Amino acid sequence: SAVISQKPSRDICQRGTSLTIQCQVDSQVTMMFWYRQQPGQSLTLIATANQGSEATYESGFVIDKFPISRPNLTFSTLTVSNMSPEDSSIYLCSGRRSDYGYTFGSGTRLTVV
Amino acid sequence: AQRVTQPEKLLSVFKGAPVELKCNYSYSGSPELFWYVQYSRQRLQLLLRHISRESIKGFTADLNKGETSFHLKKPFAQEEDSAMYYCALSLGGFQKLVFGTGTRLLVSP
Repeated sequence: SAVISQKPSRDICQRGTSLTIQCQVDSQVTMMFWYRQQPGQSLTLIATANQGSEATYESGFVIDKFPISRPNLTFSTLTVSNMSPEDSSIYLCSGRRSDYGYTFGSGTRLTVV
Repeated sequence: AQRVTQPEKLLSVFKGAPVELKCNYSYSGSPELFWYVQYSRQRLQLLLRHISRESIKGFTADLNKGETSFHLKKPFAQEEDSAMYYCALSLGGFQKLVFGTGTRLLVSP
């Protein structure tokens, strides 16, 4: 299966600033996904990222707050913009090739102070 | 909308006891079902998917379309099985994964 490297692994940020999270895959994946996992809760999908087209956002998430880039089949970024303490969470990326399950990055633990 | 239900937040058993982690889903079509595991301080890992019908680390799961269930079972729990387990559903292809709320399995010696 694909291996996803995600960075940073954690960060502490000031409110009002932005953080960009990167995910690099060791092989081409057709679709990538960005999730949020708040403390003690399950994973909630933020958006689906396909190469060459605008990401598709789930209800409650907007592009201005969570802009996503997907320049090629092995890389994607998620930016958390104008952060507030409510954005403190773990953010995960995921990818799927055609022949296997979904692989996940190790997550970015974000704390907004 | 698709939904995955894991009724137990915590399941505590003794080593050697049988384990069943419940998962029910709501979807009228033919979904793909998965079990993911997250050990302490590790990333989410695929444990099982119903398509492959395999046994991983002694765990099995059978898709029951009549009961819309995909329960995870292991006949004899080990301490190293202690982890967070998530049941997840996909509509297939490159559709998103929808996760259940997770069940924490605690295996005591």
